[in-house]
Amino acid sequence: NAGVMQNPRHLVRRRGQEARLRCSPMKGHSHVYWYRQLPEEGLKFMVYLQKENIIDESGMPKERFSAEFPKEGPSILRIQQVVRGDSAAYFCASSPPQGLQETQYFGPGTRLLVL
Amino acid sequence: DAKTTQPPSMDCAEGRAANLPCNHSTISGNEYVYWYRQIHSQGPQYIIHGLKNNETNEMASLIITEDRKSSTLILPHATLRDTAVYYCIVRDNNAGNMLTFGGGTRLMVKP
Repeated sequence: NAGVMQNPRHLVRRRGQEARLRCSPMKGHSHVYWYRQLPEEGLKFMVYLQKENIIDESGMPKERFSAEFPKEGPSILRIQQVVRGDSAAYFCASSPPQGLQETQYFGPGTRLLVL
Repeated sequence: DAKTTQPPSMDCAEGRAANLPCNHSTISGNEYVYWYRQIHSQGPQYIIHGLKNNETNEMASLIITEDRKSSTLILPHATLRDTAVYYCIVRDNNAGNMLTFGGGTRLMVKP
């Protein structure tokens, strides 16, 4: 049973470019969460999505960041016009659709470096 | 803000039990205690969780005090591969499904 998959594992962008990070949840999971970990800091929640719906985006920066989880395909975290401060590890987690306390399982992360 | 307090670092000898404490004095009745660990910037790995009873699985044991204000994660026979940052997290239903990570405990297992 494959775990949460994220790609790419490493992404290098120049300032002003766009970054697209993909997350495929575990089989049978329909809830996806994105977290960001800045260098030498803890993980911070960004957004919680179910299929075709954004449930909680309270941790998302108001500008340049967006997320989606379409009916088919992976969840996408999109960062437009990247700046050096966006350099971080972005982790996706998934959980099954059975209740608020369901365990979240994390992927290996995407490390974004903005030059 | 995280609702838990953990020591920033701990050492443990290889082969000995590692006991990682966590204080969560403001925990409410329907909140669970979760433990994750992060090995050298990999994705956080789920370890165990519990509500009020002690729990055990193939990785660890979780001991929760009767008043639920603190808990201890026990790795019965620590190995070098258990060196990681361990996060104790109280799941806050009022904040939705997010996990709120604090600073964690950096466990160093030494030979």
